[in-house]
Amino acid sequence: DTAVSQTPKYLVTQMGNDKSIKCEQNLGHDTMYWYKQDSKKFLKIMFSYNNKELIINETVPNRFSPKSPDKAHLNLHINSLELGDSAVYFCASSPGLGYEQYFGPGTRLTVT
Amino acid sequence: RKEVEQDPGPFNVPEGATVAFNCTYSNSASQSFFWYRQDCRKEPKLLMSVYSSGNEDGRFTAQLNRASQYISLLIRDSKLSDSATYLCVVNIHKGNTGNQFYFGTGTSLTVIP
Repeated sequence: DTAVSQTPKYLVTQMGNDKSIKCEQNLGHDTMYWYKQDSKKFLKIMFSYNNKELIINETVPNRFSPKSPDKAHLNLHINSLELGDSAVYFCASSPGLGYEQYFGPGTRLTVT
Repeated sequence: RKEVEQDPGPFNVPEGATVAFNCTYSNSASQSFFWYRQDCRKEPKLLMSVYSSGNEDGRFTAQLNRASQYISLLIRDSKLSDSATYLCVVNIHKGNTGNQFYFGTGTSLTVIP
């Protein structure tokens, strides 16, 4: 059983398009996150979502928006994709803020 | 200044060797600490939490030094399967943003037969 799952695994799209990445966790966790890992392998948090409270990393462009239909899902929607958005996006969940996080397999986004 | 700093390596060690990684953090408000490992083209996976008194899990030992603001990971009797990137993670509570995880850039380890 996959604890944290993401779809799609690979996403290739053109500049200017809008795309979404889905994330689901079956761990019963209260908190979910989105991270971006760039070509230099640096992992940077984009959003955390805990008890309906969204905490946004101020450096994230507002073209990125998380959407949580329920506690087990946190989707990432990206508008007007740019070349610099190419990266691996990881979803993660944890029992609460400050606790260990469990990561999904990642979505490799390539913008052409 | 980065919240978390690690030596990127690479560390190339023979099988059976003992290897240690250090990681420094800049914010004294850091509350919890972890080591993750990440294999090539895979997601980060929790290796172990780091407790104030130090803790051990098999061949792996983690230490925390709050006074000097660093954590360490010691791997004894290295196996080929230990080859990976090891990420130091620090959880910091900031008043305006709550708890946030900060990842180091990772230390690359290759265990050589």
